[in-house]
Amino acid sequence: GNSVTQMEGPVTLSEEAFLTINCTYTATGYPSLFWYVQYPGEGLQLLLKATKADDKGSNKGFEATYRKETTSFHLEKGSVQVSDSAVYFCALIPVYNQGGKLIFGQGTELSVKP
Amino acid sequence: DADVTQTPRNRITKTGKRIMLECSQTKGHDRMYWYRQDPGLGLRLIYYSFDVKDINKGEISDGYSVSRQAQAKFSLSLESAIPNQTALYFCATSLGSGGNEETQYFGPGTRLLVL
Repeated sequence: GNSVTQMEGPVTLSEEAFLTINCTYTATGYPSLFWYVQYPGEGLQLLLKATKADDKGSNKGFEATYRKETTSFHLEKGSVQVSDSAVYFCALIPVYNQGGKLIFGQGTELSVKP
Repeated sequence: DADVTQTPRNRITKTGKRIMLECSQTKGHDRMYWYRQDPGLGLRLIYYSFDVKDINKGEISDGYSVSRQAQAKFSLSLESAIPNQTALYFCATSLGSGGNEETQYFGPGTRLLVL
């Protein structure tokens, strides 16, 4: 079946450190891949997406590249800020869009210290 | 104003009570979704609706029911609440499927505690 696996958190970094949050998936074909971010006390916001192999999604200094060969969509940022502290969710929509269902990973909490 | 709103934002109820969570959207989207979030489990789909006449069960629909009163409104009901339904509930919308249409937009969530 379809699934998403993220690295466990919490991840604690100092300001200006490099961030990587690993995400791998299991799905047939070429699912659409997403990163959502949840700031404290808020709902989920779309951070970036990619819909085909080798696509790179980017937003607010975050990047993720759709790697079909490794079934991965790792999230990276070169220099994190305190304001990036949030929970990050990797997700996919299966290629046959089974009801438009977003399948989420378990989320990774990021804490950035000054 | 927010595009997707949920009411109430917080709710405490007792076991056996009926409770309704409401979702409204001004995005003009046809598709609406209800998810629940539990620590360490991510979000899981409860129900989804492609339009007013099309409602479908998600992976964890037992104990829940929904009503799509209009394109803009999608309500989730717990007929007889139980403690393991304590969770954070999110409503989401999307325009359609494929490309940019499949992106889902989330409300702020309703935190429900069942005692």
